[in-house]
Amino acid sequence: GAVVSQHPSWVICKSGTSVKIECRSLDFQATTMFWYRQFPKQSLMLMATSNEGSKATYEQGVEKDKFLINHASLTLSTLTVTSAHPEDSSFYICSARDFGGSESGYTFGSGTRLTVV
Amino acid sequence: GESVGLHLPTLSVQEGDNSIINCAYSNSASDYFIWYKQESGKGPQFIIDIRSNMDKRQGQRVTVLLNKTVKHLSLQIAATQPGDSAVYFCAERAGGYNKLIFGAGTRLAVHP
Repeated sequence: GAVVSQHPSWVICKSGTSVKIECRSLDFQATTMFWYRQFPKQSLMLMATSNEGSKATYEQGVEKDKFLINHASLTLSTLTVTSAHPEDSSFYICSARDFGGSESGYTFGSGTRLTVV
Repeated sequence: GESVGLHLPTLSVQEGDNSIINCAYSNSASDYFIWYKQESGKGPQFIIDIRSNMDKRQGQRVTVLLNKTVKHLSLQIAATQPGDSAVYFCAERAGGYNKLIFGAGTRLAVHP
């Protein structure tokens, strides 16, 4: 089955610094990936759609200059939280379209817990 | 549309009982729906899916019902077990790039 690896699984950073989260498709090529943010006891909120070789498409209200997304290869998308602040602390989850690699066609990473202090 | 950032409602059931979790979706053009289970600190786990041209689909111990008239989905879990305790989300596929939009979610608590 399709596997998506997300790294790191948790990270603590200081306010004002930037942190990069990686999302890799291990056994398939992912032309489209999605980034979600989840606050405690809330649902997953779609932040942006990442397409290989082109600019990401951001959902309304998501700051593209703060959440930089790069999808430079068919197996890797990265999310960089720039100038992080405590309110950016959240659980970030990526997903990749696997086009038949899984039952649904979408494979999720295991998430990254970001804590900004 | 986007899921609303509401706190999760909780459904409490006794072990062995049947559970029904409901979800309202937002886009009448959505063509595909998925139920996910999420345990604490983990990513969503696929449970069952249904396409918009169906109104019912059964899996092992789970059944999904779709009512497009009122834009409503339900997940039925038979003989609920302690291992079923988790948060359950429905997701709809709609819009450009076939993105998945998640519903508000329900926490299922199974008591012995």
